[in-house]
Amino acid sequence: GAVVSQHPSRVICKSGTSVKIECRSLDFQATTMFWYRQFPKQSLMLMATSNEGSKATYEQGVEKDKFLINHASLTLSTLTVTSAHPEDSSFYICSARDSKTTNEKLFFGSGTQLSVL
Amino acid sequence: GENVEQHPSTLSVQEGDSAVIKCTYSDSASNYFPWYKQELGKRPQLIIDIRSNVGEKKDQRIAVTLNKTAKHFSLHITETQPEDSAVYFCAAKGDLTGGGNKLTFGTGTQLKVEL
Repeated sequence: GAVVSQHPSRVICKSGTSVKIECRSLDFQATTMFWYRQFPKQSLMLMATSNEGSKATYEQGVEKDKFLINHASLTLSTLTVTSAHPEDSSFYICSARDSKTTNEKLFFGSGTQLSVL
Repeated sequence: GENVEQHPSTLSVQEGDSAVIKCTYSDSASNYFPWYKQELGKRPQLIIDIRSNVGEKKDQRIAVTLNKTAKHFSLHITETQPEDSAVYFCAAKGDLTGGGNKLTFGTGTQLKVEL
């Protein structure tokens, strides 16, 4: 199946710093990627839809200036958590589907565990 | 928007027994329903999916049924094994605007298969 690569897998940072997370589709092109946030023992909550070459679409309640998304190519989307604070600590995970097919299957990256001290 | 409810939140079964997880959705326009298995700290893995033009789909020990009228779908795992222990999420594709395949996830079911 399609492979989605996500880096880094784990980040520990100080409060106030920014953290960038990368999501790559390795063997397919993705005009759209999705960023989710997952708290321990909870479901995946969609944060935003990343659109190649245009602005991301954010879900209600998600601060776009806090969570910057860039989708500059058909295989790469990045999520930057700006001025991170302890409450931003969470598991962030991206997903993508092959935009050249009608296959609706979504494939997930391996996730990034962010810990803000 | 779409709302997906999932039950039960936890499920313990004996090895070899069957496990059933149920989900309901709110958006009658939803037409794609995948199921994901997630082990602790790892990515969700797609295990089976069904489209709204199909009532049932089976893949070895796993099956999914869909009732469009009632807006609910279920995951059935037969002959459970310890390696089936994980969190299972159902999902529904609801909002067709703003990006197409936007999935809404259920709250998850922690399945434990005991020896």
